[in-house]
Parts: sequence; structure tokens; C-alpha cells
Amino acid sequence: EAGVAQSPRYKIIEKRQSVAFWCNPISGHATLYWYQQILGQGPKLLIQFQNNGVVDDSQLPKDRFSAERLKGVDSTLKIQPAKLEDSAVYLCASSSGTYNEQFFGPGTRLTVL
Amino acid sequence: AQTVTQSQPEMSVQEAETVTLSCTYDTSESDYYLFWYKQPPSRQMILVIRQEAYKQQNATENRFSVNFQKAAKSFSLKISDSQLGDAAMYFCAYRSRWGDYKLSFGAGTTVTVRA
Repeated sequence: EAGVAQSPRYKIIEKRQSVAFWCNPISGHATLYWYQQILGQGPKLLIQFQNNGVVDDSQLPKDRFSAERLKGVDSTLKIQPAKLEDSAVYLCASSSGTYNEQFFGPGTRLTVL
Repeated sequence: AQTVTQSQPEMSVQEAETVTLSCTYDTSESDYYLFWYKQPPSRQMILVIRQEAYKQQNATENRFSVNFQKAAKSFSLKISDSQLGDAAMYFCAYRSRWGDYKLSFGAGTTVTVRA
């Protein structure tokens, strides 16, 4: 069974630039999560999708972050414009249901200069 | 969200020895799940072990076992017969059994295994 795929693995941008991350969950997993992991901290949930609907985006900085999962499969997380404090690893995870085990992707390490 | 505290930023263990990672959490709920996740340097996080709060028996998974003290809100992970492949960041996490499904993570403990 293929795992959660993410791209790119690394990204370096200047502040105020835009960036997008892509995630393809495990086939058949209805629930998809985006986490932000700042160095030295545990992951923090940014947004959760159930199929193509948003279940929780309470911790997503909506003035600069956006995410979509249009067809209920893969998802894109965008930051526009980026700030220095957005430097982090962005993890995508998926599960077959809200209360089921989450499987994580390898993450995208973002550096904002 | 519940607070999860891992007070040990780093731990070092000799190969084949045992290491114990500590975790405490703060909650007013009686029914919840606790997890230990492993994140190797490649960053793909995997679930190591899970404990249901309503079960008194401590969970075990091969060389990994937990000491769950519900009254003390403590959830430690013991890695026995440590192997080089155990070197990673370990995260303790909490999730309500009902209602709020969010995983709340601690800050992590980096485990180094000495050959």
C-alpha cells in the first residue's frame, strides 16, 4: 500500500513570496490533515478535510493560508504572502475516518528568508 | 486543546539498553486516547503505540511498552533492547475519545542510540 505522498520535500523562498504544497493521501482515505511543525515543537493541526469538505480550520491563519481538496482526493496548501515565522515542516496526514489512525507523509520543509 | 508536556528534550541510550521517555498531560476528560509517535530523521512520522484511557492494562508493542498512570496523568514510553534504528524524535500525543478529534502533541524527545 502506497503511503501519503508530499511534494516538494524542500522549498526556500523569500518573505512575501507565495508557495504551494501538494499532498496525495492513501487511496480510499476520506480524512486529510495538514499540520505545521515548527522546529522544536510538536505538530499543530492547521486544517482537516472530510472528503472535499472542511471539518476544522480553526487554527489556519486565513489571512495568508488557504487549502483545498477539490475532488476529495489530493490537496494543496498555499501560503500567500509568506512570513519568516512560516518557516516550518508542513506535514500531511490521512486516515480512513476521523477517529482512525493517522498516517503521515514525509513533510515539506519550508524556509522563508 | 489539551496540554501535553514532554520534559526531556533529549535522551541518550546505549545500544541494547533501556530508555524511558516521560510524558504528562492535562485534561478534565475521563475518556481519551494517548499515543507515542516516532519521527526518524527522514521525517515520516509513524505510530508506535496507543493506549485507551478506559483500559487499565498498559499497552505493549514488541520492545515498546507504556506505563499509564491515569490519576497522575502520566504516560511514559519504555524502549527495551534499544537498537540503532530507534534513534528518532518521539512525540507523545493526546486525543479525546469523543468530541474533539484533534491530536495534541508534546514538543518531542530526541533519542540518540550509542553503538
